[in-house]
Amino acid sequence: EDKVVQSPLSLVVHEGDTVTLNCSYEVTNFRSLLWYKQEKKAPTFLFMLTSSGIEKKSGRLSSILDKKELFSILNITATQTGDSAVYLCAGGGADGLTFGKGTHLIIQP
Amino acid sequence: NAGVTQTPKFQVLKTGQSMTLQCAQDMNHEYMSWYRQDPGMGLRLIHYSVGAGITDQGEVPNGYNVSRSTTEDFPLRLLSAAPSQTSVYFCASSILDRGYGYTFGSGTRLTVV
Repeated sequence: EDKVVQSPLSLVVHEGDTVTLNCSYEVTNFRSLLWYKQEKKAPTFLFMLTSSGIEKKSGRLSSILDKKELFSILNITATQTGDSAVYLCAGGGADGLTFGKGTHLIIQP
Repeated sequence: NAGVTQTPKFQVLKTGQSMTLQCAQDMNHEYMSWYRQDPGMGLRLIHYSVGAGITDQGEVPNGYNVSRSTTEDFPLRLLSAAPSQTSVYFCASSILDRGYGYTFGSGTRLTVV
């Protein structure tokens, strides 16, 4: 059975801090690792990672995949209150996406 | 460019009532799926379809039926609603090998009283 585990499940930091969200996966016929941001509505796509060691960046967000250790991290630098959300990690396999439970990130002013 | 359209956005049902959650996509996606999201549980797959006329069960299929008569539509039916089905429901679709990410609908918040 495919499994995706995210940590921490919740995190409270102050504006300006840097955060690292973790995701480990066990996915049969692995295709990709995806990160989504969810703010009280549908998840919105952040990154898709398919190759180890290649960092993907979008503004203050970045992510990298380690296919040997079956692990990915999502970094957010200089956090802002608008970064408050649930961040979902999903492993893509032959039968579709398996989601982790998410990390609930709260950025305090 | 409507993408994935879900209706209704909100619904309150009484225990034992039936209803259908609608999902339509205009992107010619072969793969469509239904998830439910509960606090602390993440997104759990209910049913999915790899094309018209083909459906299969996901992780939590009990109490739900689906059909796929066209590529565009993938309705989810609750035959006899129970309070345990109170949740937020998302429809998602994909054109690629479905391991490469989905387009999500905006969700339906269902409350069963």
